[in-house]
Amino acid sequence: AQRVTQPEKLLSVFKGAPVELKCNYSYSGSPELFWYVQYSRQRLQLLLRHISRESIKGFTADLNKGETSFHLKKPFAQEEDSAMYYCALSRPGGSYIPTFGRGTSLIVHP
Amino acid sequence: DTGVSQDPRHKITKRGQNVTFRCDPISEHNRLYWYRQTLGQGPEFLTYFQNEAQLEKSRLLSDRFSAERPKGSFSTLEIQRTEQGDSAMYLCASSWPGQGLAEAFFGQGTRLTVV
Repeated sequence: AQRVTQPEKLLSVFKGAPVELKCNYSYSGSPELFWYVQYSRQRLQLLLRHISRESIKGFTADLNKGETSFHLKKPFAQEEDSAMYYCALSRPGGSYIPTFGRGTSLIVHP
Repeated sequence: DTGVSQDPRHKITKRGQNVTFRCDPISEHNRLYWYRQTLGQGPEFLTYFQNEAQLEKSRLLSDRFSAERPKGSFSTLEIQRTEQGDSAMYLCASSWPGQGLAEAFFGQGTRLTVV
């Protein structure tokens, strides 16, 4: 069975501080990993996916198969980064139905 | 707004009543997904359509739940004999053919409260 764990419900930092939102997964194969973001009063949207290896809004995430982790990082947090962040895992091929973690609420204080 | 739209945005119903939600996906998208999200949890997969065919259903989808997508366009999710445990946000998403959910777009959701 596939499972995604986000150990922190809440992460509170000051503007300019580094941010790391943790995500660990369990899956027997080679999964696809994603981060989704939901800003206040907005809909859930894709932030980034591991196969793209891109930086979006200053965020990056590296898939570590040895540690089965896909932590989301940003070197300098901004107030507009405050949102709910969800890590998701999808089995490649087929219907691509992701399993979501419970989410981490990021609050960036001025 | 040309994104995924869901109707209604909020629904309050008494326990035991039936409710129906509607999702209008982005018009070119042939895949449509339903998720449920309860407080403090991430979205949980319920079911998925490709065109009008319902290809996968979660064990969360009890026999009180039924989803349809009759013409491969909009979809409805019906809950019969609602229970308080059905209170949640119901999310719909759609995506292009051949692409996974990562490329999907979510609606604003329908918040159901069963009293």
